[in-house]
Amino acid sequence: QQQVKQSPQSLIVQKGGIPIINCAYENTAFDYFPWYQQFPGKGPALLIAIRPDVSEKKEGRFTISFNKSAKQFSLHIMDSQPGDSATYFCAASWGTSGTYKYIFGTGTRLKVLA
Amino acid sequence: EADIYQTPRYLVIGTGKKITLECSQTMGHDKMYWYQQDPGMELHLIHYSYGVNSTEKGDLSSESTVSRIRTEHFPLTLESARPSHTSQYLCASSENRGIGGGSDTGELFFGEGSRLTVL
Repeated sequence: QQQVKQSPQSLIVQKGGIPIINCAYENTAFDYFPWYQQFPGKGPALLIAIRPDVSEKKEGRFTISFNKSAKQFSLHIMDSQPGDSATYFCAASWGTSGTYKYIFGTGTRLKVLA
Repeated sequence: EADIYQTPRYLVIGTGKKITLECSQTMGHDKMYWYQQDPGMELHLIHYSYGVNSTEKGDLSSESTVSRIRTEHFPLTLESARPSHTSQYLCASSENRGIGGGSDTGELFFGEGSRLTVL
């Protein structure tokens, strides 16, 4: 129940395509769902995040869609570019102040072809 | 850019050596973490700390140990390295999280990682 299941494991799209990465969870106590982006040789960095009281959040070309009843959320990258080629992790967090924790998905390697 | 630094970035050592991976952050965060990232990409929490003199083991069992004597510093030590310890080690820190859905989300800030190879 503490897992976040992420798919697909890898994804190749053409420039301008819209890759979609999906995540599913079981624990209804999760209340914060971030996506992290990791480039080779770097640590992950926060890309975009959502709370379960909204169904969609958009920041630039990146959009999170959230389906609370299905316990699923997904990342969409509009007009994808070769510079978006990276590994993407979904995550879920729960708890407050001093005791919150994170669970990460298994990651998706995205390659955007020029 | 997050102000969290890891050294060394790359380390190749022989079996049986003692190693310490350094992690420092200048953001004043109470919480710090060590993750192990395997070649399959997954991030596994191996240690965390909620403040000075507080350390806990994470979800993945690890032979490494950590200490938190100063807020900004969270080193990881392997007393006797083995080839099975070969991996990427990522340090992270976060601020306290807001209560009741506040804007403070406790974002994780990661260092660039220390890639350890044990021969």
